[in-house]
Amino acid sequence: DAGVIQSPRHEVTEMGQEVTLRCKPISGHDYLFWYRQTMMRGLELLIYFNNNVPIDDSGMPEDRFSAKMPNASFSTLKIQPSEPRDSAVYFCASSPRFNWETQYFGPGTRLLVL
Amino acid sequence: SQKIEQNSEALNIQEGKTATLTCNYTNYSPAYLQWYRQDPGRGPVFLLLIRENEKEKRKERLKVTFDTTLKQSLFHITASQPADSATYLCALTMDTGRRALTFGSGTRLQVQP
Repeated sequence: DAGVIQSPRHEVTEMGQEVTLRCKPISGHDYLFWYRQTMMRGLELLIYFNNNVPIDDSGMPEDRFSAKMPNASFSTLKIQPSEPRDSAVYFCASSPRFNWETQYFGPGTRLLVL
Repeated sequence: SQKIEQNSEALNIQEGKTATLTCNYTNYSPAYLQWYRQDPGRGPVFLLLIRENEKEKRKERLKVTFDTTLKQSLFHITASQPADSATYLCALTMDTGRRALTFGSGTRLQVQP
């Protein structure tokens, strides 16, 4: 298995632009998680899905952030409009149904908003 | 709210020695506690999980202990190698109803040859 795939790996954009991050979870995994990592706040959970349904989005910072999972093999995290304080590394992780605690992380997308 | 404390200072040790990393938490005890490894520019990688009714878990050169009285977990790497150099993150599961991990800020380990 190729593991969790994220794209792009790096994104540089200007304030106010829309940013879309993409994730392909490991095949057969029921759970998908989006995290954000910064030096100041560490690794924070933004939202997670179970069987493509958003279960908990309490970590989403504000309405500028949205996430979707249209099918079991694809998810997006969108920021519109982006701001410099959104600069961070965004990780996607997936886990299987009966062992959800063990999460498999993707390589991350490093986002820089100028 | 729950807080997780890991030593923010880097831990430097000599190759062959045992590295011991600490994870302390406040408030109520988690159902599970995990340790992940993160290398620069990469995502965290799962290492070990220990449940609240377990005192110790081992995997090869790794050992995790879980003391719910002290609200502390210790992570040991025996016979450390330069390849063990990385940041190690502690993660807690607070509520089995919510599939969420809360991560500590991590401790960077540097093993000198």
